[in-house]
Amino acid sequence: GAGVSQSPSNKVTEKGKDVELRCDPISGHTALYWYRQSLGQGLEFLIYFQGNSAPDKSGLPSDRFSAERTGGSVSTLTIQRTQQEDSAVYLCASSISSQGRETQYFGPGTRLLVL
Amino acid sequence: AQSVTQLDSQVPVFEEAPVELRCNYSSSVSVYLFWYVQYPNQGLQLLLKYLSGSTLVKGINGFEAEFNKSQTSFHLRKPSVHISDTAEYFCAVSIIQGAQKLVFGQGTRLTINP
Repeated sequence: GAGVSQSPSNKVTEKGKDVELRCDPISGHTALYWYRQSLGQGLEFLIYFQGNSAPDKSGLPSDRFSAERTGGSVSTLTIQRTQQEDSAVYLCASSISSQGRETQYFGPGTRLLVL
Repeated sequence: AQSVTQLDSQVPVFEEAPVELRCNYSSSVSVYLFWYVQYPNQGLQLLLKYLSGSTLVKGINGFEAEFNKSQTSFHLRKPSVHISDTAEYFCAVSIIQGAQKLVFGQGTRLTINP
């Protein structure tokens, strides 16, 4: 079956603009995670969704970052007023549940460049 | 809080040679342990994971890892590497209770030379 898909694969934007990154998880996966991969910080957790529960936003670096998950499926990560330090690869992952025994399947990522 | 240290940022080896990628972790609570591989311009793929039971875990592509609780280590090994193993490898942990938010090490770039 299809894996996790993300769009766009690459995004170039100007400082100060807003961007939206999309993630389509594997069908039936109730847990969805966003991570950021950057040269300076490595791989960092950003936010996770589990079913209809309130999302865990503890990893979001600032209030310019937000995410939503509509209908328990597709998720959108929004970065407002982008800064150059937001340049990174944003990875989405999904799993059957949020419990530790479940494998997270990662998408190919969106490479964001803020000029 | 949890932290993961991968002691080598780059490891060059010759094809068909053995390799060990080192990983140490720190946590005040019990954790699950993972190794992921990332090929160029791709997402992360799970190689193996330790949840409980036998401390020697076998994964895909001939890799294995051994959990050592006393040394808080989870080193990844392969007895004979192939050119196709060239990639970046990430060690990660997650706490057992609650959501599986992964905490990653900085990664080790494995380069296989012919």
